Amino acid sequence: DAKTTQPPSMDCAEGRAANLPCNHSTISGNEYVYWYRQIHSQGPQYIIHGLKNNETNEMASLIITEDRKSSTLILPHATLRDTAVYYCIVRVSGGHNTDKLIFGTGTRLQVFP
Amino acid sequence: EAQVTQNPRYLITVTGKKLTVTCSQNMNHEYMSWYRQDPGLGLRQIYYSMNVEVTDKGDVPEGYKVSRKEKRNFPLILESPSPNQTSLYFCASSDGLQVETQYFGPGTRLLVL
Repeated sequence: DAKTTQPPSMDCAEGRAANLPCNHSTISGNEYVYWYRQIHSQGPQYIIHGLKNNETNEMASLIITEDRKSSTLILPHATLRDTAVYYCIVRVSGGHNTDKLIFGTGTRLQVFP
Repeated sequence: EAQVTQNPRYLITVTGKKLTVTCSQNMNHEYMSWYRQDPGLGLRQIYYSMNVEVTDKGDVPEGYKVSRKEKRNFPLILESPSPNQTSLYFCASSDGLQVETQYFGPGTRLLVL
């Protein structure tokens, strides 16, 4: 199974960009990278996903390196409400032709005023 | 409003007393899943279901049962709870194989004495 490595914690000033790195050096060619976040014991929330091209949506941008061994989630203008644990996930194949997500321990992002 | 609901949200019980945590989604999703979350271990999948009457084990199924008699409901059953099942539990659903956009419930915090 492809694994991901993230720093345990990061700080970011409110209004600045938050850049959250993730290493996934064993990722396979057809495995997507997903990002979720979890705000203080609430259910995780889907943010964005990508395969090889950079992606952007209303929440964030995802930059994937050309060799696909790492990626960065960018929150362009962090707010206090973005304080959360951010999970970088690589989808792996499960049973019944189902893929599944394996959550690691994530990066705890603290946005400060 | 599209949502996943769980009941109860909080539960204190004693060892060996059977309990059921309900999960319901109103999005007509095919895929549903249960996770538990413990400090330092992240989210771990217990069971998942591809559709009605189709269930499969996740990574930590021991001590749990599930059923999927209706598309919208996916209850988690602890036949004989033990203290090591004290945890925060999340139910999630997604549309077919689109497990990247899973919608999570608010969580159920269980304490087994």
